[in-house]
Amino acid sequence: DAEITQSPRHKITETGRQVTLACHQTWNHNNMFWYRQDLGHGLRLIHYSYGVQDTNKGEVSDGYSVSRSNTEDLPLTLESAASSQTSVYFCASSESLRNTEAFFGQGTRLTVV
Amino acid sequence: AQTVTQSQPEMSVQEAETVTLSCTYDTSESDYYLFWYKQPPSRQMILVIRQEAYKQQNATENRFSVNFQKAAKSFSLKISDSQLGDAAMYFCAYRRPYNAGNMLTFGGGTRLMVKP
Repeated sequence: DAEITQSPRHKITETGRQVTLACHQTWNHNNMFWYRQDLGHGLRLIHYSYGVQDTNKGEVSDGYSVSRSNTEDLPLTLESAASSQTSVYFCASSESLRNTEAFFGQGTRLTVV
Repeated sequence: AQTVTQSQPEMSVQEAETVTLSCTYDTSESDYYLFWYKQPPSRQMILVIRQEAYKQQNATENRFSVNFQKAAKSFSLKISDSQLGDAAMYFCAYRRPYNAGNMLTFGGGTRLMVKP
């Protein structure tokens, strides 16, 4: 069955370190998204991609970057982790059709100490 | 930019009763999509129900139904015959027309507790 997986599920890192969260989907979807979830804010869009070599900034992109070298993967990098980036991160993918839904990974809980 | 507001941070319901979760949104677009997602303690985001703005008929999925009021920009979720397994965070989400990007804008969420 097609799926979308994130790794790791949990990570603790130190302030100032570079961290990369992985997202891999086997749906062959063109669209991929990264969101962060914080209490009271729901999920907010960090970056998104509509295809290989395409990346775009979302609502809360400062301090994050993504790259899309193939259809299946959209890794999220925190260049220099900050305590404000402690959050739960979700990756999602979807097709570019009219009546389509987004599929979410299981989330990564990141703690920056 | 679109905004989505869920005014009820927490709700509780007795098992087998009915509960309604509120959601309002702000947009200048006429063609869009609305969703309700459920997030149990496992953190998995589960699609509960979707509504296409051009459809006047309210969507229904088993015990879940919506009251979509386009003019009022309101999209509430009704859960009938509540079950213990319905306890979760519920998020309302807005998606722009499919040719304007597939990203979702979420509300802040409502935590639903179900009392046995």
